[in-house]
Amino acid sequence: GEDVEQSLFLSVREGDSSVINCTYTDSSSTYLYWYKQEPGAGLQLLTYIFSNMDMKQDQRLTVLLNKKDKHLSLRIADTQTGDSAIYFCAETETNDMRFGAGTRLTVKP
Amino acid sequence: DAGVTQSPTHLIKTRGQHVTLRCSPISGHKSVSWYQQVLGQGPQFIFQYYEKEERGRGNFPDRFSARQFPNYSSELNVNALLLGDSALYLCASSSGTLETQYFGPGTRLLVL
Repeated sequence: GEDVEQSLFLSVREGDSSVINCTYTDSSSTYLYWYKQEPGAGLQLLTYIFSNMDMKQDQRLTVLLNKKDKHLSLRIADTQTGDSAIYFCAETETNDMRFGAGTRLTVKP
Repeated sequence: DAGVTQSPTHLIKTRGQHVTLRCSPISGHKSVSWYQQVLGQGPQFIFQYYEKEERGRGNFPDRFSARQFPNYSSELNVNALLLGDSALYLCASSSGTLETQYFGPGTRLLVL
């Protein structure tokens, strides 16, 4: 089956940039997403990229897509303590989304 | 505008019981999807409904069923609960079956 993989943990200092990486196996993925989950909460959509794009920027967030290597990254500029959460990468081709296990981002003051 | 709402927020059941979880989509959205998130893992797709019809089903046993109502709200039913059904159940709505999904806060189910 198709898999989405992420590193489990990332720790950065406040004000630094964070880069969260994701790899996927389904070459027919249409959309790739980044969601944020804070403790005890649901998933908050951060951004998404269509598979025919290689970069998307939205304020502090930059998404890079390398379709050849099936690699997706999320860069958060000027990371703040409020960015501490679990970040999920997800991909979809049809009507079901496949998620990675999530990367827990810890931001130290 | 209200986002996706789910009820109840928390639920405790015992093995063998039945549970019904409810979801109201964002106004104007016609598609509802259900996901199970076990602690420490990413969400797993259970069902998608669009215009009251099932459009997709994940790898879950027949104990799991769902339906969508004319107002596009949805229910997820789980029969004969097992300890392993303990999870956060997330509902997501979208305008269409392939459109971006917006998630509700989830229902946390604990099976004892």
